[in-house]
Amino acid sequence: DAKTTQPNSMESNEEEPVHLPCNHSTISGTDYIHWYRQLPSQGPEYVIHGLTSNVNNRMASLAIAEDRKSSTLILHRATLRDAAVYYCILLKAGTALIFGKGTTLSVSS
Amino acid sequence: DTGVSQDPRHKITKRGQNVTFRCDPISEHNRLYWYRQTLGQGPEFLTYFQNEAQLEKSRLLSDRFSAERPKGSFSTLEIQRTEQGDSAMYLCASSGNQGTEAFFGQGTRLTVV
Repeated sequence: DAKTTQPNSMESNEEEPVHLPCNHSTISGTDYIHWYRQLPSQGPEYVIHGLTSNVNNRMASLAIAEDRKSSTLILHRATLRDAAVYYCILLKAGTALIFGKGTTLSVSS
Repeated sequence: DTGVSQDPRHKITKRGQNVTFRCDPISEHNRLYWYRQTLGQGPEFLTYFQNEAQLEKSRLLSDRFSAERPKGSFSTLEIQRTEQGDSAMYLCASSGNQGTEAFFGQGTRLTVV
C-alpha cells in the first residue's frame, strides 16, 4: 500500500488559515488522495478528495502538487470546531480506506 | 435517512463471552466496512463487503471474529471468546458504488472485563 507521511501535530489560531501537509512520494497513477477528520468521540468524517487537480468544497481546499508526491489540506478560517485528527489517505477505487496516525490539529481562541 | 447507525453504542462483557454488533448502512450504499480503533490510534481496517460479498479481510480479523452481511443490507460483527485486548471502538462505514465518500457511524465501544 502506498504510504502517507503527516506531522504528528499542528497548532493554529482561530480564524486563521491552516495548511496541513501530506507527503506521498510512492503514490501511483490510480491513487486518489482522500482527507478525513475525526473529532473527539466521533467517527471519521469525509473532508475532501482529489486525483490530480486542486479541489474546493464547503469544508476545505485540497492543493495537489504537480508531481502528486505531496498535497496540502487548507482550512481557510479555522474555528474551534475544526480541532480534530486529520487523516491523509491514498485510495484506489474499490478498496478500503487505510488510516495512519494523522495530524492532531489544535485550535486556540 | 439518518446516516450509518450502530447498535449498541456501548457494550461491557466478561472475558470469554461472545458479543455481536450491528451496523445499518445508508440505504442506497452497497459497500460496507468495519474498523477497530483503540485510544490514540487511527482506525484499523477489519473487513469490507460489496453487497453481500465479503471482498477483503484484514489479518487482524482472527478466527474469533466473523462478519456477515445477509442480503446486502445490515451487517453484523461477532467476536467469540472475547479477550481484554478486544476492548476498542468498533466503527462501521458505508459508501456508494464508486466508493468515493465513506460515511461512518458513531461506533460501538466494547469493554472486556
